[in-house]
Amino acid sequence: IAGITQAPTSQILAAGRRMTLRCTQDMRHNAMYWYRQDLGLGLRLIHYSNTAGTTGKGEVPDGYSVSRANTDDFPLTLASAVPSQTSVYFCASSDSRTGGDTGELFFGEGSRLTVL
Amino acid sequence: GQNIDQPTEMTATEGAIVQINCTYQTSGFNGLFWYQQHAGEAPTFLSYNVLDGLEEKGRFSSFLSRSKGYSYLLLKELQMKDSASYLCAVSDSNYQLIWGAGTKLIIKP
Repeated sequence: IAGITQAPTSQILAAGRRMTLRCTQDMRHNAMYWYRQDLGLGLRLIHYSNTAGTTGKGEVPDGYSVSRANTDDFPLTLASAVPSQTSVYFCASSDSRTGGDTGELFFGEGSRLTVL
Repeated sequence: GQNIDQPTEMTATEGAIVQINCTYQTSGFNGLFWYQQHAGEAPTFLSYNVLDGLEEKGRFSSFLSRSKGYSYLLLKELQMKDSASYLCAVSDSNYQLIWGAGTKLIIKP
């Protein structure tokens, strides 16, 4: 049982480069999320998707884009990476149509991104 | 603004009991979550409270007082494997999760 798979696990990237973090879930969950986690701060929502074909902006969406072509995949793209995007990125999913309502979040193992 | 407060770090002894507090100010309330996160790993769900009172699940219990904007996570019979960060999160009026920065719990033998 895979749950949520993220790739890559870790990546060092030059500033200005384009990068896509991949996220795939096999639980058929409706909702998916991308968070970033920085030392001393709570998880911050970047983008979310309540169902395939729809996406929404979270708390810190600038510099990031997402797509949700199907239920299973929710890639996160940094069009032109900057050093402030150095962080650990977590993809999550929940069996909920309205995001966080009683829906337990299942997280991927994270992608550690360093932008130089 | 919306705010979740929890202590940055706590230390406890193996076999003892520890209480991790969380206070919140959010626009609306649709439940409070506790997650555990071991270093370098993903957060995992521990508990969910939407009504006032205590929810017990094995060695872990979670309490909620909506009128006080307050919750705590109680860990009993502490084990070394309980060393982790504990994240408090509140679902606001739009069902978006607002996260605290987490409490790092250090267990000493």
